[in-house]
Amino acid sequence: GIQVEQSPPDLILQEGANSTLRCNFSDSVNNLQWFHQNPWGQLINLFYIPSGTKQNGRLSATTVATERYSLLYISSSQTTDSGVYFCAVEYPARQLTFGSGTQLTVLP
Amino acid sequence: ETGVTQTPRHLVMGMTNKKSLKCEQHLGHNAMYWYKQSAKKPLELMFVYSLEERVENNSVPSRFSPECPNSSHLFLHLHTLQPEDSALYLCASSQDIGGTDTQYFGPGTRLTVL
Repeated sequence: GIQVEQSPPDLILQEGANSTLRCNFSDSVNNLQWFHQNPWGQLINLFYIPSGTKQNGRLSATTVATERYSLLYISSSQTTDSGVYFCAVEYPARQLTFGSGTQLTVLP
Repeated sequence: ETGVTQTPRHLVMGMTNKKSLKCEQHLGHNAMYWYKQSAKKPLELMFVYSLEERVENNSVPSRFSPECPNSSHLFLHLHTLQPEDSALYLCASSQDIGGTDTQYFGPGTRLTVL
C-alpha cells in the first residue's frame, strides 16, 4: 500500500512564528487533503489540494503531485493553531489514507 | 443540530458488554464513514457506506458491526471487545464517496475497554 509520511512529528513554536509542515507520499494520488485535529479530538478539513497552491487566511498549502509531496504553511501562529495536522491521500480509490500527523504546540 | 454529531462522547465498557455508537449527519450527505484512531497511529478507515449500502470493509474484526438504517444515521455495534480496541472512534460524512469530496468529521467517541 501507499506510504504517507509527515514531518516533523512534533513541533513547538512561540506565538507569532511561522512554520512549514511536510507530507510525502510514495505513489501517485489523485487527491490530497489537509486536516487539523484540535486538542479535543475534532477533525476539521483545511484544504482539498490535489495540486497547486491554495490560501485561506494565515494558512496556505502547496502540492507538487509530480514530486509526491505537499506542504502546509502556517504564518503568525496562534495558540489556537495547536493540535495535530494530518494529510490524507486518496488511495486506494475512493478512500482516504492518513499520515501519522504533526503535533503542533504553540506557546503563548 | 448542525454538522456531524456522535453519541456518546465517552464510553467505558467491559470485555463482555454490548454497546453501540451512534452517528448522525445533518448535511444531506450520501456517504458515511467509521474511522478508528489509536494513540500514535494514523486514522484507520473501518467502514464506508454510500446511500445506506456498505461499500468498503477494511478487514475489521467481526466484533465491530456497522449499521446504516438511512443516509443520515450510522451505528457501530460493539460486542466482546478487547482492551486493544480502546481508541477514539470517529464518524465522518461526505457528499459522495471519493477523495474529491470533503469529509466532515464528528467529535468522536472515546472508548475504553477494561
